[in-house]
Amino acid sequence: DILMTQSPPSLSASVGDRVTITCRTSQSISSYLNWYQQKPGKAPKLLIYAESTLQSGVPSRFSGSGSGTDFTLTITSLQPEDFGTYYCQQSYNTPYTFGQGTKLEIK
Amino acid sequence: QLQLRESGSGLVKPSQTLSLTCAVSGVSVSSGAYSWSWIRQPPGKGLEWIGYIYQSGSTNYNPSLRSRVTISVDRSTNQFSLKLNSVTAADTAVYYCARRIDMATIGYKWFDPWGQGILVTVSS
Repeated sequence: DILMTQSPPSLSASVGDRVTITCRTSQSISSYLNWYQQKPGKAPKLLIYAESTLQSGVPSRFSGSGSGTDFTLTITSLQPEDFGTYYCQQSYNTPYTFGQGTKLEIK
Repeated sequence: QLQLRESGSGLVKPSQTLSLTCAVSGVSVSSGAYSWSWIRQPPGKGLEWIGYIYQSGSTNYNPSLRSRVTISVDRSTNQFSLKLNSVTAADTAVYYCARRIDMATIGYKWFDPWGQGILVTVSS
């Protein structure tokens, strides 16, 4: 199985800040990397697929980058509604695996 | 608009079989462009992919659960189902169904949308 390691496990940031979450994989996965946002009590929501393609309807302050084994989710100008837990997921091969999550809190 | 909704028993006794159904509206489960997945999340923990099924009935399961899992599709009711047998407390989780999108031309896949989730507790 491909191991997904996210960092940091949690972070607190202020409205307007630039936030970066990283995801490292145990083997190269090219660009087969997706990002999801989950709010408490809700299902995960797709933000970015194929490493950098923004899902329709997702604000442009979200962006993804990277390739191989190191990936980054960036939120420019953090908004109050961006709180929640963010997960990366690899679709390079099965079993599909997820990172352990990064919990983002708004100061 | 595509929607998925899970239903089934929220309480299952140890050693018994967990059975869930996902009702799909807005698209046919028979569409060859998609496959249909189950993913679970133990309380306070991360996400675990369980498996998926194509409209043809072909399946792909997580090896960690393969011996206990069956995913099936019912084209007549536009639903797909999950059965997990011999459950233990470790199977207590929120279970989500989701559409798996596969860009066949370049191979990228992702899950979207997800159902709201259903909490299944394994307890006597």
